[in-house]
Amino acid sequence: DAGVTQSPTHLIKTRGQQVTLRCSPKSGHDTVSWYQQALGQGPQFIFQYYEEEERQRGNFPDRFSGHQFPNYSSELNVNALLLGDSALYLCASSWDRETLGMGKTQYFGPGTRLLVL
Amino acid sequence: AQSVTQLDSQVPVFEEAPVELRCNYSSSVSVYLFWYVQYPNQGLQLLLKYLSGSTLVKGINGFEAEFNKSQTSFHLRKPSVHISDTAEYFCAVSEYGGSNYKLTFGKGTLLTVNP
Repeated sequence: DAGVTQSPTHLIKTRGQQVTLRCSPKSGHDTVSWYQQALGQGPQFIFQYYEEEERQRGNFPDRFSGHQFPNYSSELNVNALLLGDSALYLCASSWDRETLGMGKTQYFGPGTRLLVL
Repeated sequence: AQSVTQLDSQVPVFEEAPVELRCNYSSSVSVYLFWYVQYPNQGLQLLLKYLSGSTLVKGINGFEAEFNKSQTSFHLRKPSVHISDTAEYFCAVSEYGGSNYKLTFGKGTLLTVNP
């Protein structure tokens, strides 16, 4: 059973550029969340996608956008990159319809490490 | 709004010693609680979770945690650690029900197991 996969594993960009990160959820999962983990910090919630719609958004600017496809995979796009966007970007998947709140259990991928120069 | 405080940023211990990593949370509603582990240059792996029922939760790799509602705590314990337990540990909370789906994480505790 494949877990959550993310691509690419590493990425180097320069300020002002745009980047797209990709995520495939764990088999059977229909919900994808994205988190940003700066060096030495805990992950911060960016947004969550369910049924191809952004269901909840964290405190991130509009430069951060996403998409979910019919096969439940997802993309995270960041425009006009800033040095402060350098971080590990984590994708997590879950199943919305699990009982007893287990849909709240999110399983994480290995992350994409983005370096903005 | 929910928040998580991990009281120790670093915890050094010797191999085979017991360890406790402390976590306190704040929320205006009932919550679910999680511990994740992050090995160097890797993503997050779920160690254990509290959803309901027994307040003592057992997880993988011999870890356990106890939910204490009155003290709003969810401390992680292991009776005897190994070198391979060296990693960053994150406590996280999500709200019960409603339309708040996100996980809120603490800043992490770096557990270093020395020989």
